[in-house]
Amino acid sequence: RKEVEQDPGPFNVPEGATVAFNCTYSNSASQSFFWYRQDCRKEPKLLMSVYSSGNEDGRFTAQLNRASQYISLLIRDSKLSDSATYLCVVRGSGGYQKVTFGIGTKLQVIP
Amino acid sequence: GAGVSQSPSNKVTEKGKDVELRCDPISGHTALYWYRQSLGQGLEFLIYFQGNSAPDKSGLPSDRFSAERTGGSVSTLTIQRTQQEDSAVYLCASGQGFNSPLHFGNGTRLTVT
Repeated sequence: RKEVEQDPGPFNVPEGATVAFNCTYSNSASQSFFWYRQDCRKEPKLLMSVYSSGNEDGRFTAQLNRASQYISLLIRDSKLSDSATYLCVVRGSGGYQKVTFGIGTKLQVIP
Repeated sequence: GAGVSQSPSNKVTEKGKDVELRCDPISGHTALYWYRQSLGQGLEFLIYFQGNSAPDKSGLPSDRFSAERTGGSVSTLTIQRTQQEDSAVYLCASGQGFNSPLHFGNGTRLTVT
């Protein structure tokens, strides 16, 4: 089983739609979680951290379910500019802080 | 403030030559990672430095790859006897400490001809 698994997509959604991505992780001791966004031929950029209680940043909502070992990202009112690949990121615990990236989910918002 | 800086931004080399890629992390960041990304693929972990601890080299694909981090700051990734399959974007990222996110450089696009 991969350490971090994501559906690669692509997800093609119309402007204004709500879209959700899930990501599962295998290490139950994982400590911290993030969503990154990567545009074509660019480096990944931090979109948001994911907190245990869930957190929201404008149109974006991230949630963590430790019992089921998954994190989710919800995008409301999709914009054309949201088109990108969304990477799920998991960081280990204790002295071993290896950061593992999922393969990414490609989102295409269409007019 | 200054972000993660990588150089060169592009490198074209002939098969069999050695290359060195440089990463300047954000000042004060103790964690430094190297990843590579082939076109249309996900990020492949290569190596991880954390403070003065021994690096995690578990992602290096062969003994042609090595990396060092001098003085807990600048890191150099060296690829010896490059092969065409080494062509990719090599990304460096640094982080401040436990539970903090990583910040990426712009990457070095390596092309082996």
